[in-house]
Amino acid sequence: GDSVTQMEGPVTLSEEAFLTINCTYTATGYPSLFWYVQYPGEGLQLLLKATKADDKGSNKGFEATYRKETTSFHLEKGSVQVSDSAVYFCALSSSDKLIFGTGTRLQVFP
Amino acid sequence: GAGVSQSPRYKVAKRGQDVALRCDPISGHVSLFWYQQALGQGPEFLTYFQNEAQLDKSGLPSDRFFAERPEGSVSTLKIQRTQQEDSAVYLCASSPNRGDDGYTFGSGTRLTVV
Repeated sequence: GDSVTQMEGPVTLSEEAFLTINCTYTATGYPSLFWYVQYPGEGLQLLLKATKADDKGSNKGFEATYRKETTSFHLEKGSVQVSDSAVYFCALSSSDKLIFGTGTRLQVFP
Repeated sequence: GAGVSQSPRYKVAKRGQDVALRCDPISGHVSLFWYQQALGQGPEFLTYFQNEAQLDKSGLPSDRFFAERPEGSVSTLKIQRTQQEDSAVYLCASSPNRGDDGYTFGSGTRLTVV
């Protein structure tokens, strides 16, 4: 079945460092791909999405490119802030529902 | 409302007790989803409604779990005879039409079975 694999955390960075969180997927067909973020004590929020190959989703300085050839959707940000500390989930759409990865915790220190 | 509202925010149940979790989606949203998120894991799909029709309940872990959305708006997830393994955060999400547009999630109900 369809699945999402993302790098285990925690990822610990200093403020202004470059961030990459890897995500790969297995799917039949061409699903839409998503990154969700969960701040402490809050619900999941959609961060960005891409609906077809080579699309780039972007929001709040975060970017991810839908790579069909490598079945990947890695999340990147050029300069992280302390306020970016959260858990990040990669997900794909499959038959109208979302399939999530296990999440990657990002901790950014001043 | 402005967002997806879930209640209660926290629920402690004794093993064997029945619980009911409520979800109030964004007004006018056709699709409604329930997910279960165990500690340290990603959310896992439970069930999906389009208006009042339950189109997919393949993720419900046992026949102790039951969900309804009788008028196509508010939904209730009921768990009968709760077990310790039911302890998790239960997330509700709604979408204007099909889920491919991306959902809006509620803050969840944290269920602890003791």
